[in-house]
Amino acid sequence: GAVVSQHPSRVICKSGTSVKIECRSLDFQATTMFWYRQFPKQSLMLMATSNEGSKATYEQGVEKDKFLINHASLTLSTLTVTSAHPEDSSFYICSAQKPGGVYGNQPQHFGDGTRLSIL
Amino acid sequence: AQSVTQLDSQVPVFEEAPVELRCNYSSSVSVYLFWYVQYPNQGLQLLLKYLSGSTLVESINGFEAEFNKSQTSFHLRKPSVHISDTAEYFCAVRGAGGTSYGKLTFGQGTILTVHP
Repeated sequence: GAVVSQHPSRVICKSGTSVKIECRSLDFQATTMFWYRQFPKQSLMLMATSNEGSKATYEQGVEKDKFLINHASLTLSTLTVTSAHPEDSSFYICSAQKPGGVYGNQPQHFGDGTRLSIL
Repeated sequence: AQSVTQLDSQVPVFEEAPVELRCNYSSSVSVYLFWYVQYPNQGLQLLLKYLSGSTLVESINGFEAEFNKSQTSFHLRKPSVHISDTAEYFCAVRGAGGTSYGKLTFGQGTILTVHP
């Protein structure tokens, strides 16, 4: 199997709070993890690619200082939304990719997402 | 650069009817193709994938998709749908080379609603 666990599933907090979301690959080691953001009734937008032991690669328009990504081990990546504001409210989804084979043809396995609501 | 277009945002069908969810893509490099399904408030589950070889790929729950290179399409089909197939379906492509290497690009999603 390829199970990805994301925690918490839902967060409600006040504006100005920093929120950390964890993404764990439970039964495989993931050298690469991805963080997506999904607005209501829209598709997933890639925010950043996280590689174990190195700095994350952010997509254009994503604030690095706002969305801190740490991938300290082969099974854990974290996304911290710093000083969150209402416009950061969204559904955040992580995915993890198994190593091996040609990089591009390994499917990504997704967590169940985190619903972030900033009041 | 690569892009994915899912031509229908919503597809309502009756139970046991056939269904086709359309997906077209554009890319300057070779691609791998995927269909994912998302149930409410959940992440995405891989439904099926095309990497190489036979252009017709099948899932364990009766869905199939055919890669058509000349039409740059990867339409998803099922001959007889069930109520439990109600969900949102995303088509995605990943570049096999160039600057799109490894990046997964999603279509806008198609909400399939199966009515009794």
